[in-house]
Amino acid sequence: EVQLVNSGGDLVQPGGSLRLSCEASAFNVSNNFISWVRQAPGKGLEWVSVIYSDGSGGNTYYADSVKGRFTISRDNSRNTVHLQMKSLRVEDTALYFCARGTVLWFAWDIWGQGTRVTVSS
Amino acid sequence: SYEVTQPLSVSVALGQTATITCGGKNIGSKNVQWYQQKPGQAPVLVIYRDTNRPSGIPERFSGSNSGNTATLTVSRAQAGDEADYYCQVRDSNTVLFGGGTKLTVL
Repeated sequence: EVQLVNSGGDLVQPGGSLRLSCEASAFNVSNNFISWVRQAPGKGLEWVSVIYSDGSGGNTYYADSVKGRFTISRDNSRNTVHLQMKSLRVEDTALYFCARGTVLWFAWDIWGQGTRVTVSS
Repeated sequence: SYEVTQPLSVSVALGQTATITCGGKNIGSKNVQWYQQKPGQAPVLVIYRDTNRPSGIPERFSGSNSGNTATLTVSRAQAGDEADYYCQVRDSNTVLFGGGTKLTVL
């Protein structure tokens, strides 16, 4: 079954770090565009980052709200995409989803179940 | 920076047609996607590239995009269509969502 499984969410103090994972099944992350999208409690969706497929150069892009603090990367051997988060802020508290782009890199047809990040002292 | 706006809520009678709008300056020149999200679940892509339905999405869901408004239409609304709906566009190398519209089926 084609799916994405999220993990790594936790409770962390402001200023702390966390690494989220997005493991794919039945398709290769190396050939796909994978994004991270988050949703703060009771709020709407916010795009966070994307990593392009290897064939499209593997470029990475970030929302202004996380630029310089978050890093997206891919481990092809584990068929997994990671989101390394540092200098976390209270406003980063959210449910984090990864998603696969389809005919457009920003049209996401497969989503992970989400992993919860809580930033609080 | 570019912005997209949606109404906070839309109500529709069971079996009738609901329209949810997504406004943005010259949004007709962009590809618009629509996502459905039910409580406690990940979003589901229901429309991509303005008018296209992914496999498995009922024909009751349709989209259009012109000028400054994109529209999601849900025909013959069912109780199971009650959800939050988000429009989404790409702006350069970032992605923007509308604030979401809660569809209530009466």
